[in-house]
Amino acid sequence: KAGVTQTPRYLIKTRGQQVTLSCSPISGHRSVSWYQQTPGQGLQFLFEYFSETQRNKGNFPGRFSGRQFSNSRSEMNVSTLELGDSALYLCASSLPPRPEQYFGPGTRLTVT
Amino acid sequence: AQTVTQSQPEMSVQEAETVTLSCTYDTSENNYYLFWYKQPPSRQMILVIRQEAYKQQNATENRFSVNFQKAAKSFSLKISDSQLGDTAMYFCAFMTSAGVTGTASKLTFGTGTRLQVTL
Repeated sequence: KAGVTQTPRYLIKTRGQQVTLSCSPISGHRSVSWYQQTPGQGLQFLFEYFSETQRNKGNFPGRFSGRQFSNSRSEMNVSTLELGDSALYLCASSLPPRPEQYFGPGTRLTVT
Repeated sequence: AQTVTQSQPEMSVQEAETVTLSCTYDTSENNYYLFWYKQPPSRQMILVIRQEAYKQQNATENRFSVNFQKAAKSFSLKISDSQLGDTAMYFCAFMTSAGVTGTASKLTFGTGTRLQVTL
């Protein structure tokens, strides 16, 4: 099976712009979770989607949003980018009730 | 809220030797899952091993094994016969069992241990 894919892999944006990141889960996986990884804050949970519904959300401002489509692909959007949003954004898919999450290669976002 | 602590920021081991990475966690839950993930320089997070809290038997995956001490809330990873390809950041992670059934599938990570395998 193909693994989790994320596009784009690298992105450079300017402060104030918005960005959309995409994640395609492993075939058959219906749950997609997003995490932000930074040197200062480590790995932090953003949100999780299952069957097109957001089931859980981390402690991030409303500028961070996401959605999931009927084919389980997910997108996350960050509006009004700030310098502190520069990070590696990781997507993970899983097949509940199995707990294992499988990660994609990540999208490296740089905000200038 | 659950917390995961990895007290060893960096470790080094010689090829073919054995190394143990430490992890402690804090939770009031009785049923949960623990994981070790590996993140090599490529930044791809790779699942190494998982442990169910209700299982007393320690999980093993080839050269990787865990020492799970539920009462002490300790979950260490032992890597035997270390290889150069084991060089990576290793993250310990926690998930409540409620997350498995669908109410909240969320991993809480520790800060990681950077492992360097040398010749």
